[in-house]
Amino acid sequence: DQQVKQNSPSLSVQEGRISILNCDYTNSMFDYFLWYKKYPAEGPTFLISISSIKDKNEDGRFTVFLNKSAKHLSLHIVPSQPGDSAVYFCAASMNRDDKIIFGKGTRLHILP
Amino acid sequence: DVKVTQSSRYLVKRTGEKVFLECVQDMDHENMFWYRQDPGLGLRLIYFSYDVKMKEKGDIPEGYSVSREKKERFSLILESASTNQTSMYLCASSFVDSYNEQFFGPGTRLTVL
Repeated sequence: DQQVKQNSPSLSVQEGRISILNCDYTNSMFDYFLWYKKYPAEGPTFLISISSIKDKNEDGRFTVFLNKSAKHLSLHIVPSQPGDSAVYFCAASMNRDDKIIFGKGTRLHILP
Repeated sequence: DVKVTQSSRYLVKRTGEKVFLECVQDMDHENMFWYRQDPGLGLRLIYFSYDVKMKEKGDIPEGYSVSREKKERFSLILESASTNQTSMYLCASSFVDSYNEQFFGPGTRLTVL
């Protein structure tokens, strides 16, 4: 029973274009969402988060959008750069202090 | 520069062996976590600790135990390793008021033969 779903195992995007990574969740009690980025042979690093009281949060090239009615969030990276090639994990929790439920991850390839 | 270190990057053990995975953080974080990462399954929480000598089961605690005798150190113990415990093990830590924003170590790839 997967509560956080990343349905695309991989995604390829041309350098300079927009990368859009999608995530769906099933638990309506989730109210805090995060994205982590993972390079091979390294641990995940926190990228960006959003609370359910917002529908958008922006940090430089990274923007997370939340659509609560659709139980859907997305991470936009623009413009995409070669260093963005990594696995991206979507995650959710019931509040900021609760345990995180991770999705399975999406591998992003930025093409030259 | 914040740091979470794990005792080994690669480990090979035999079925039935007792295995210790060590994690140390230098950020004075109250919370520490152990996850395993498997292809197609993402990260799954094994155990976590919010204080010295305190521990809570995560989603998949069976076959594992933990120990936290000091604030900076959190150990994962496989009492009797089995082949289905072959995995990447990731330790993480966070402040008590920012539980979700966790800092991860580089991981230990454990192979049980």
